[in-house]
Amino acid sequence: DVKVTQSSRYLVKRTGEKVFLECVQDMDHENMFWYRQDPGLGLRLIYFSYDVKMKEKGDIPEGYSVSREKKERFSLILESASTNQTSMYLCASSPRMSSYEQYFGPGTRLTVT
Amino acid sequence: AQSVAQPEDQVNVAEGNPLTVKCTYSVSGNPYLFWYVQYPNRGLQFLLKYITGDNLVKGSYGFEAEFNKSQTSFHLKKPSALVSDSALYFCAVRDIPDTGFQKLVFGTGTRLLVSP
Repeated sequence: DVKVTQSSRYLVKRTGEKVFLECVQDMDHENMFWYRQDPGLGLRLIYFSYDVKMKEKGDIPEGYSVSREKKERFSLILESASTNQTSMYLCASSPRMSSYEQYFGPGTRLTVT
Repeated sequence: AQSVAQPEDQVNVAEGNPLTVKCTYSVSGNPYLFWYVQYPNRGLQFLLKYITGDNLVKGSYGFEAEFNKSQTSFHLKKPSALVSDSALYFCAVRDIPDTGFQKLVFGTGTRLLVSP
């Protein structure tokens, strides 16, 4: 069974802190994605990666960075967390040739106070 | 760019009644369309997709969706709703920006509430 896991289900951080959100997939997928989910806005793509050490900006990359050192792991980094980054963060992965067939992790609900 | 719209924030239906969750799309070229469901405190789960072929697509948990090219719609349907169908439903469309990398663009979501 396919599996995408995220390091934390709930996270509370203070303004200005550096935050790491980790995502691991066990399906040997080339593509990985980070989204944020906000009520009334749906899912918005932050960053994606189509290979190790490769990354591309999504629709809302400001305030975020990513790291992909290994194929199975994709990290989202908030360099200096702000209250407007309070949100649900979802990680997903997909095979190389069908990047639209995505498998999602359970999400991390981040609260920045 | 490709986009989808979900005109209803919430849909209420009684258990046993048919349900419809609406989605309209705007694309250039042939659309690849998807439905995902999110149960409380869970990630998104794939329900079904339309790429080509029969306009009526069957998916998981008894759901189906009807692709209508003339109305640019892809509505999600189920003949008989269950209380356990209560969840957040997202419509999505494949987008291919200038980079050539295929990605998904999601709608804003529709909350389905099925009452006993």
